[in-house]
Amino acid sequence: GAGVSQSPSNKVTEKGKDVELRCDPISGHTALYWYRQSLGQGLEFLIYFQGNSAPDKSGLPSDRFSAERTGGSVSTLTIQRTQQEDSAVYLCAIQWSSYNEQFFGPGTRLTVL
Amino acid sequence: AQSVSQHNHHVILSEAASLELGCNYSYGGTVNLFWYVQYPGQHLQLLLKYFSGDPLVKGIKGFEAEFIKSKFSFNLRKPSVQWSDTAEYFCAVKAGGTSYGKLTFGQGTILTVHP
Repeated sequence: GAGVSQSPSNKVTEKGKDVELRCDPISGHTALYWYRQSLGQGLEFLIYFQGNSAPDKSGLPSDRFSAERTGGSVSTLTIQRTQQEDSAVYLCAIQWSSYNEQFFGPGTRLTVL
Repeated sequence: AQSVSQHNHHVILSEAASLELGCNYSYGGTVNLFWYVQYPGQHLQLLLKYFSGDPLVKGIKGFEAEFIKSKFSFNLRKPSVQWSDTAEYFCAVKAGGTSYGKLTFGQGTILTVHP
């Protein structure tokens, strides 16, 4: 939606495995955000990027979570040693400088067994 | 840190009924306020937003919201709901003064409209 694709759309993994989630935005945006949506915690901010740097990563829940962005475009969110409580829908959103609003992608549903 | 509270977890209405969803936020500074909607199986979409100026803002699909600064509220309204309004609605706040920054969301309100 709104120029953001995310892959995979669904990911099932076993506890303890590492996963990588990808956000592929259209060009021209100026900021990229990661959120997650879970039954227990609702919608939570994780991290955002302007260019390739992350001015705010205060929402990352633990050091098992990391994110990077290369070339000011594609971003990957990595979760190491996944736990069952990591199960959620991980959402990517983009923002253009001319619009003070965020446009969300379809999300990746992560299930940790 | 900002927080957002949505009063109703689940609202059930019949078509043509009027809707008001409550949203209160906690933040002492300037805020930007948003309502997002998530239709079943779809991604989050922006309904409307408030940055400054007229506290009554109009959004898509006949929705409107009123910012009442003294009450730290940003309630969503629609005079007459339709079955197609069945969705989950999220209120969100961003600390104002900058173009970029995280959104803090409320817990969401599920709206079910019966035909």
